[in-house]
Amino acid sequence: QSALTQPASVSGSPGQSITISCTGTSSDFGNYNYVSWYQQHPGEGPKLIIYGVTNRPSGVSSRFSASKSGSTASLTISGLQPEDEADYYCSSYATSNTLVFGGGTKVTVL
Amino acid sequence: QVQLQQSGPGLVKPSQTLSLTCAISGDSVSSNSGAWNWIRQSPSRGLEWLGRTLHRSEWYNEYAISVKGRITISPDTSKNQFSLQLNSVTPEDTAVYYCGRDPGLGMAFDIWGQGTLVTVSS
Repeated sequence: QSALTQPASVSGSPGQSITISCTGTSSDFGNYNYVSWYQQHPGEGPKLIIYGVTNRPSGVSSRFSASKSGSTASLTISGLQPEDEADYYCSSYATSNTLVFGGGTKVTVL
Repeated sequence: QVQLQQSGPGLVKPSQTLSLTCAISGDSVSSNSGAWNWIRQSPSRGLEWLGRTLHRSEWYNEYAISVKGRITISPDTSKNQFSLQLNSVTPEDTAVYYCGRDPGLGMAFDIWGQGTLVTVSS
C-alpha cells in the first residue's frame, strides 16, 4: 500500500492552533474508523495520542483533537506549546488486515 | 504497568536472517483482545508496519505486503514473548525496529518497545 500523505512541516506560534492533514484513499480510510496519530520527539519512540479517529488515551492532553472526513483525517493541536515540537504520524487500518502510516509532519513552534 | 523489552543483534549481514524478540511484562501474548506487532522506521521508508500475531481461540499472523514471504512473527507462550524473523535481508532493511502492543484499539499501539537499530552490512 502507499503511505498516507501528510504535509512535511507545519509551524505555529505558542498559543496558536495548528492542523495537520492526512490524506488516503477509499481503501485506507474510506470504510474504517481506525485512524491513529502518534507524536515522536527526537531520539524517542512514537507515542499514541489519538486512536479510533477521535479518542485520546488516558493522560494525553485535551489540546490534541482529531477528526476524519472522507479520505482525509486531521489532527489539531490547540494552544501550541514548546513541548509540542515533534514529528507527528497518522496511521490507518487498510484492507486485508494491514496498517499504513503517513510520511510524518514536523511541527515547529516558532 | 505493561512493558515491552526488545532483544537481538544490531548488525546482520546481507542475505542473512534478522531475528528480534520482544518480551512482555504486565500483559499476556495469549490475550484474546490484544495483538502484538512489529514496526520499523528508517529515513527512507518512514514508519512501516510489518505484521502482527494475535490469539482469538487460535493463533493468527498477518503481514505487510512489502515483506510477505520473508517475514515470520511467532508467539512464545512459555516465555510470554513474541519474535520477528526477516529473511534474505538487504541494506534496505536497515532501520530501527519496534515491537508494539495493540490492546484492541483498532491497530493503534499504546505500548512500544525501546527500539533496536538493526544495520544490514557486510
